[in-house]
Amino acid sequence: AQKITQTQPGMFVQEKEAVTLDCTYDTSDPSYGLFWYKQPSSGEMIFLIYQGSYDQQNATEGRYSLNFQKARKSANLVISASQLGDSAMYFCAMREGEAGATNKLIFGTGTLLAVQP
Amino acid sequence: DTEVTQTPKHLVMGMTNKKSLKCEQHMGHRAMYWYKQKAKKPPELMFVYSYEKLSINESVPSRFSPECPNSSLLNLHLHALQPEDSALYLCASSQDVPLLETQYFGPGTRLLVL
Repeated sequence: AQKITQTQPGMFVQEKEAVTLDCTYDTSDPSYGLFWYKQPSSGEMIFLIYQGSYDQQNATEGRYSLNFQKARKSANLVISASQLGDSAMYFCAMREGEAGATNKLIFGTGTLLAVQP
Repeated sequence: DTEVTQTPKHLVMGMTNKKSLKCEQHMGHRAMYWYKQKAKKPPELMFVYSYEKLSINESVPSRFSPECPNSSLLNLHLHALQPEDSALYLCASSQDVPLLETQYFGPGTRLLVL
């Protein structure tokens, strides 16, 4: 079974609108971390936002917020006020177990977001 | 500053060549990672170094040989590669304490094996 599932291979959004990218995860470990990365066509993986399993509040970073629903095992990324520069591949990733020095990240298959003017 | 640098940006090599990829970070991170990413796929972990010691090898073929000369540098030595090894190779680094575990990636090296 897939540990991280991103069901949207591609998404379109109009500039200045908000968009939600879906991510569900599967783990029996009580301690885990969830990450979102952005990968433009240039290739660099850019860290966007992090949510720990014990965090009570949803993480926010500027225009990015993470809608963390623990019971549903979902960690959707919300991008507000989309910009043309947001067009990229977005990966959801999970670290299982206690955080430490060497963390294996499990990545989803990604969602390709296209922002239209 | 969350910068990880990688050189070269692009590399073309024949199957009999020997080449090396280089990764550098100056964030004081003690864990460094190599990932391989094929087109339209997520990154796949290859190796992890922690405190300059190899801690994880994800059953990578021996034609890939990692090296961590010091805490800031990570190399990936390539020898007798196959065309299917053509991919984007990403380096990442992270801190060694909980709550500061985020992996920061470099821009990658696009490798083409002919």
